[in-house]
Amino acid sequence: EPEVTQTPSHQVTQMGQEVILRCVPISNHLYFYWYRQILGQKVEFLVSFYNNEISEKSEIFDDQFSVERPDGSNFTLKIRSTKLEDSAMYFCASNRDRSTDTQYFGPGTRLTVL
Amino acid sequence: GDSVTQMEGPVTLSEEAFLTINCTYTATGYPSLFWYVQYPGEGLQLLLKATKADDKGSNKGFEATYRKETTSFHLEKGSVQVSDSAVYFCALSEPPGFNKFYFGSGTKLNVKP
Repeated sequence: EPEVTQTPSHQVTQMGQEVILRCVPISNHLYFYWYRQILGQKVEFLVSFYNNEISEKSEIFDDQFSVERPDGSNFTLKIRSTKLEDSAMYFCASNRDRSTDTQYFGPGTRLTVL
Repeated sequence: GDSVTQMEGPVTLSEEAFLTINCTYTATGYPSLFWYVQYPGEGLQLLLKATKADDKGSNKGFEATYRKETTSFHLEKGSVQVSDSAVYFCALSEPPGFNKFYFGSGTKLNVKP
């Protein structure tokens, strides 16, 4: 069964450094998402992406964040200058189209900012 | 705005015990409701869903009924197994577009043999 994959599984970085989290969505899916979960808190929506542009973003998704689909398979989340409070689990998700209510999630990348 | 509240964990049960994990929601429209499960080291997997009031979603012995009058979607299983140990997330998404999910904070279930 096709699945969403994410790399790395765990990323440790110093405050102020740039990080790129990578996701490979399911191959025939067209809509892509990033969520994050700070330890002990809810899973929060960050951004949705379709047709090479952002469809919707949350208040969390400020100028320090960006997303990109650099080729036909990868979907990336970049944090330009990490802060301690960016430490969280980041989940990528995808779905086939907007009439389908189910999103398929990857295993997550745990980001630790020191 | 939309939100989901689920019971705090961890929940610890003996094998074959009855499981209930409570979930209530707030939504502006008529959402679809979901339970996702995360096994250790894996991604969020769809466990079951319901798309309208009084629908019952079921899978692997788990079930949940969409109760509009109480804005609830409680997860139940009659007899849990050790292999059910995982984190369970309640979530909602609204049409049209189902553009984002609202999640609860997750409930960790530990089942002891």
